[in-house]
Amino acid sequence: GDSVTQMEGPVTLSEEAFLTINCTYTATGYPSLFWYVQYPGEGLQLLLKATKADDKGSNKGFEATYRKETTSFHLEKGSVQVSDSAVYFCALSDQGRGSTLGRLYFGRGTQLTVWP
Amino acid sequence: GAGVSQSPSNKVTEKGKDVELRCDPISGHTALYWYRQSLGQGLEFLIYFQGNSAPDKSGLPSDRFSAERTGGSVSTLTIQRTQQEDSAVYLCASSLDGTSYEQYFGPGTRLTVT
Repeated sequence: GDSVTQMEGPVTLSEEAFLTINCTYTATGYPSLFWYVQYPGEGLQLLLKATKADDKGSNKGFEATYRKETTSFHLEKGSVQVSDSAVYFCALSDQGRGSTLGRLYFGRGTQLTVWP
Repeated sequence: GAGVSQSPSNKVTEKGKDVELRCDPISGHTALYWYRQSLGQGLEFLIYFQGNSAPDKSGLPSDRFSAERTGGSVSTLTIQRTQQEDSAVYLCASSLDGTSYEQYFGPGTRLTVT
């Protein structure tokens, strides 16, 4: 079945450091891929998405590229801020195969802490 | 506009009791999802409603779990005879329709079974 594997945390960085959170997926077709973020005390929010191979999703300085050949969707940011401290979830949806079922399959989440 | 709301925000119950969790989706959204977030299992899909179609219940962990959606809007997730392993944060999400890529999540209900 469909699944997502993402790098386990926690990740601790200094402000302005480079961030990479690895995410790989297993799916039989061509799913849509997402990164969701959960800030302390808040609900899950969509950070960025990519719906087909080679698409790059970007938002708030974060980027991720849909790599079909490596089945990956790694999250990157060139210079993190304290306000980026949160839990990041990689997810896939099987809508990309023409199904109307939009259920999301999530990775386990990666806790990011950024120190000033 | 208003986002997805859930109530209660926290619920503590004794093992064996029944609980009801409520979700109010964004107005006009026809698709509604329930997920569970727990330490041991991460984020798991539970059930999906789309318009008037029969719900997809394939993620419900046992027959103690059920959900309904009245009038295509508000949804209630019911857990009967709660067990300690049901302790988790229950998240509701809605999207414009079953083909929309973005799901909007509510703040969740934290359920603790003692």
